[in-house]
Amino acid sequence: GEDVEQSLFLSVREGDSSVINCTYTDSSSTYLYWYKQEPGAGLQLLTYIFSNMDMKQDQRLTVLLNKKDKHLSLRIADTQTGDSAIYFCAVPNSGNTPLVFGKGTRLSVIA
Amino acid sequence: NAGVMQNPRHLVRRRGQEARLRCSPMKGHSHVYWYRQLPEEGLKFMVYLQKENIIDESGMPKERFSAEFPKEGPSILRIQQVVRGDSAAYFCASSPPGPGTDTQYFGPGTRLTVL
Repeated sequence: GEDVEQSLFLSVREGDSSVINCTYTDSSSTYLYWYKQEPGAGLQLLTYIFSNMDMKQDQRLTVLLNKKDKHLSLRIADTQTGDSAIYFCAVPNSGNTPLVFGKGTRLSVIA
Repeated sequence: NAGVMQNPRHLVRRRGQEARLRCSPMKGHSHVYWYRQLPEEGLKFMVYLQKENIIDESGMPKERFSAEFPKEGPSILRIQQVVRGDSAAYFCASSPPGPGTDTQYFGPGTRLTVL
C-alpha cells in the first residue's frame, strides 16, 4: 500500500518562505493533497495538484510535484503567524479513494 | 452551503460503554469516510461508505467497531465496549458522487476520551 513521509517540524521567521516536503511510494495516484490543521480543529483542504502537472500556484501557495522522485512540496510565500499549524500531505491509496496521510509537519512561525 | 458536520465535538465515556459518533456530509455529497487520528499522528483510514453500502472497511478494527450510512440521516460510527486505546480524534470526510471528484472535505472531528 501507499506510504507517505514528511519531516515533523519546521520553524521559520515571519516574512520568510516555508517549504514543506513530502515523499510517497505509489505513482498511480491521480490527485495529491495538502491539508492544514490548526490546534483542536479539523482538516482544511489547502490545495491539490493533478498528477500530470509539475506545478500549481494559488496566491501565496506553490505546489511542486516531481513524479520521477515521488516528491511533493508545498511552498508558502511571506509566511505569517497565522500560518502556524500542522500541514498534512495526503495521497490516495493505490488509486483508490481512501487517503493515506503523512504524520504532518508542524510549522512554527517566529515573529 | 454548510460544511461537513460532526457531533458531538467532544465525548467522554467510561471503559465498557458505547460511543456513537455522527457525521452529516456536505449537501449533495453521497460518499462518507471515517478516519482516526491518534495524538501526534496523521489520520488513518477506517471505513468508506455510500448510502446504505459499505464500500471499503479495510481500516476498521475487526471487533467492537461498526459504521453505517442509512438512506436517511447521518452516518454513524459506533464503538462498543470502549477501551482507553480508543481515545482519539475521529474525523469524517465527504465527497460528491461521480468519477474524478474524489476530493474529500473534512468535518471538525469528534474527540473521544475514554476514562
